[in-house]
Amino acid sequence: SQELEQSPQSLIVQEGKNLTINCTSSKTLYGLYWYKQKYGEGLIFLMMLQKGGEEKSHEKITAKLDEKKQQSSLHITASQPSHAGIYLCGAEGGSNYKLTFGKGTLLTVNP
Amino acid sequence: DAMVIQNPRYQVTQFGKPVTLSCSQTLNHNVMYWYQQKSSQAPKLLFHYYDKDFNNEADTPDNFQSRRPNTSFCFLDIRSPGLGDTAMYLCATSRGGQGEKLFFGSGTQLSVL
Repeated sequence: SQELEQSPQSLIVQEGKNLTINCTSSKTLYGLYWYKQKYGEGLIFLMMLQKGGEEKSHEKITAKLDEKKQQSSLHITASQPSHAGIYLCGAEGGSNYKLTFGKGTLLTVNP
Repeated sequence: DAMVIQNPRYQVTQFGKPVTLSCSQTLNHNVMYWYQQKSSQAPKLLFHYYDKDFNNEADTPDNFQSRRPNTSFCFLDIRSPGLGDTAMYLCATSRGGQGEKLFFGSGTQLSVL
């Protein structure tokens, strides 16, 4: 089965700072999804990457998938308190539509 | 507008007392999923329905059952909850197929006392 490891497990930054969260897979990624979860709530879709070397941005969040399709990073520029939450990466299997998730990275942004 | 709705938001039950969690969707998606997420853990897929076809994960305990009476609704039944079943239960939907994102509800936080 596919395993996803996220690092760091938690992160505390000062408002305005940049940060990066990583997601590493034990197998080739066919589809890599980033979700955000506020404590005690459901997951909100951020971005999805499929092709090696692909990069997508939305507002101040940029996600990349490496060429080998085994690692993804999520970068937040000029962080704000609204960015606080748990960021989870999820991966599709090779031929199905189920997502396996990492444990998440807890982000705290101090004003 | 909420597209995947879970009820109740919080549920407290006693050890061994059956409990049912509900999920409804307005997206008309083919697939409905149930995930279990324990504190500081990854969401773990319990099972999913593709239309009427039920797909159980190999390691999902027999204590967990599901029903999907129609496209819009899906239920999670826990026949005899144990203390270890305390968790957030997340319902999600998708169109099915690769590259289709999952839409999640707000979750039901279940506490077994």
